[in-house]
Amino acid sequence: QSALTQPRSVSGSPGQSVTISCTGTSSDVGGYNYVSWYQQHPGKAPKLMIYDVSKRPSGVPDRFSGSKSGNTASLTISGLQAEDEADYYCCSYAGSAHVVFGGGTKLTVL
Amino acid sequence: EVQLVESGGGLVQPGGSLRLSCAASGFTVSSNYMSWVRQAPGKGLEWVSVIYSGGSTYYADSVKGRFTISRDNSKNTLYLQMNSLRAEDTAVYYCARPLTGYAFDIWGQGTMVTVSS
Repeated sequence: QSALTQPRSVSGSPGQSVTISCTGTSSDVGGYNYVSWYQQHPGKAPKLMIYDVSKRPSGVPDRFSGSKSGNTASLTISGLQAEDEADYYCCSYAGSAHVVFGGGTKLTVL
Repeated sequence: EVQLVESGGGLVQPGGSLRLSCAASGFTVSSNYMSWVRQAPGKGLEWVSVIYSGGSTYYADSVKGRFTISRDNSKNTLYLQMNSLRAEDTAVYYCARPLTGYAFDIWGQGTMVTVSS
């Protein structure tokens, strides 16, 4: 399986909104509603932010939202805060018990 | 508290072997399907392997035939036996438990594996 495609970097000012895209194929993103998103700060383990395309785990602020259209999933962060600066990874079930991650997007809060 | 703690990483020569451990607390490893995910230095996340509660195992093509995932129910511990190691296996290895479906909400702190002569 090939990695899902994400932009290498995005940026936004505090209070603004940013959207990170994640493009796959009909065999992964487009084929299942099992897209998740992870936030990773340097030197830390990933943290689950969104699962099943648009659901938020307990404790994740509602500033984080997810969606999907066809083979592309998106993570939107509204009301950007300094602590949102991190790497973000999308992830999708790809069938046959396999999971595939995106290449990661570095979010910079200006 | 639900927690995962990895150990067993280190420096190994190409062609060598290493066994990683992932000790779980606060939940039962055998009741969940557990995965290993790795991250090469400065690179993104890569799914490595999964073991289901029934014992079925699956691997990424990059490690199939070289790595073996297993668990010891009595120790509530997950393992990853890595053989025929290559330089490209150098990474931080995380064990992870899913919240639901294929979304991982519990991660260990990671253990570093360096394959170099």
